[in-house]
Amino acid sequence: SQQGEEDPQALSIQEGENATMNCSYKTSINNLQWYRQNSGRGLVHLILIRSNEREKHSGRLRVTLDTSKKSSSLLITASRAADTASYFCATDDTGFQKLVFGTGTRLLVSP
Amino acid sequence: GAVVSQHPSRVICKSGTSVKIECRSLDFQATTMFWYRQFPKKSLMLMATSNEGSKATYEQGVEKDKFLINHASLTLSTLTVTSAHPEDSSFYICSARVAGGAYNEQFFGPGTRLTVL
Repeated sequence: SQQGEEDPQALSIQEGENATMNCSYKTSINNLQWYRQNSGRGLVHLILIRSNEREKHSGRLRVTLDTSKKSSSLLITASRAADTASYFCATDDTGFQKLVFGTGTRLLVSP
Repeated sequence: GAVVSQHPSRVICKSGTSVKIECRSLDFQATTMFWYRQFPKKSLMLMATSNEGSKATYEQGVEKDKFLINHASLTLSTLTVTSAHPEDSSFYICSARVAGGAYNEQFFGPGTRLTVL
């Protein structure tokens, strides 16, 4: 399987704390994207980082990419209860034009 | 932002019946749509890539006669689960890629929960 892996599988934190999720993948990529999914719902695109970028910010989100290690991390700062969701990384493999999703991290932020 | 709808959002059917799920891009044209399947607390698994006006490309292990895909227009793709069985129960999600987009950003529908009794 070409599916990427994420860790941790589950993360439980208190409001105000930071949450870090990691994603590892297997192939060469054009870009890597992070998505959020609330329980039983569709996916919401959070942020995209291109293969020639190393770090990107969007609001409380910070994404890093290390293509030499084939890994990425998503940091959510000052988490809120509303951030409770599953987070997936997805890689856009070079030449395939399709997204391959990671296994996901379930984040629970307690008030 | 780009909006993708799915209909129905939830369907319960008897074993042996066929179920059609629609995926529409509401405010943009999508030459390519994707169908995913998601089991509880699991990731999305790509089932097939649907291109407007041509046959869908199925991923390995996905039965094309079981999961019929029709992408008849730039804003509509349908997935028909034929002769559904309980093991077909799952959450089905479609996505659409903006035609001519600079990168492979996909906009996802809200999903359809299929329960086969």
